[in-house]
Amino acid sequence: AQSVTQPDIHITVSEGASLELRCNYSYGATPYLFWYVQSPGQGLQLLLKYFSGDTLVQGIKGFEAEFKRSQSSFNLRKPSVHWSDAAEYFCAVGAGNSASKIIFGSGTRLSIRP
Amino acid sequence: EAEVAQSPRYKITEKSQAVAFWCDPISGHATLYWYRQILGQGPELLVQFQDESVVDDSQLPKDRFSAERLKGVDSTLKIQPAELGDSAMYLCASGTTSGANTQYFGPGTRLTVL
Repeated sequence: AQSVTQPDIHITVSEGASLELRCNYSYGATPYLFWYVQSPGQGLQLLLKYFSGDTLVQGIKGFEAEFKRSQSSFNLRKPSVHWSDAAEYFCAVGAGNSASKIIFGSGTRLSIRP
Repeated sequence: EAEVAQSPRYKITEKSQAVAFWCDPISGHATLYWYRQILGQGPELLVQFQDESVVDDSQLPKDRFSAERLKGVDSTLKIQPAELGDSAMYLCASGTTSGANTQYFGPGTRLTVL
């Protein structure tokens, strides 16, 4: 069965520091992979997605993620975080025909230290 | 930029009462999803529509939950009767069916059952 693991429940980084959020997936075929961000009390906003091709994908707000098949990982990175990046981040894998069903990880809460 | 609309944004109800949530997807999106997100967790799919037809409702508690999308556009999710454990964020998302699907989320409805 498809699944997504985000091993870090909560991460705190200093403003201006680099960030890496971990994500591991379990899926038999080539997965469709997503990262979403959720600000408190809000819906989810798509940061980036990987379907095929270049394994390093660029997203909005300066985020990028790298698909590593050998490690079943899709980690999210940002070289320099801003206070406005404080939010909950969800990794997700698309299953089924054309990724019609998305399975979410449990999320990583990001706090920014001034 | 087109967005998924949901109402109400917040709903407080008492146990055993009926509640209903409304979702208007992005124009032209054939697929519509309802998710439930319990605090501190990732969203979990309740029901998926393709136009007006239910594609997947395997996780929908059918004894108390119902969903419809009569004209294949907007959708309503109903809970009757509400229970304390139904307190959660209810998210609606929509997507296309051409190529690899990407889901776009609405702002959600925060339900509190007292």
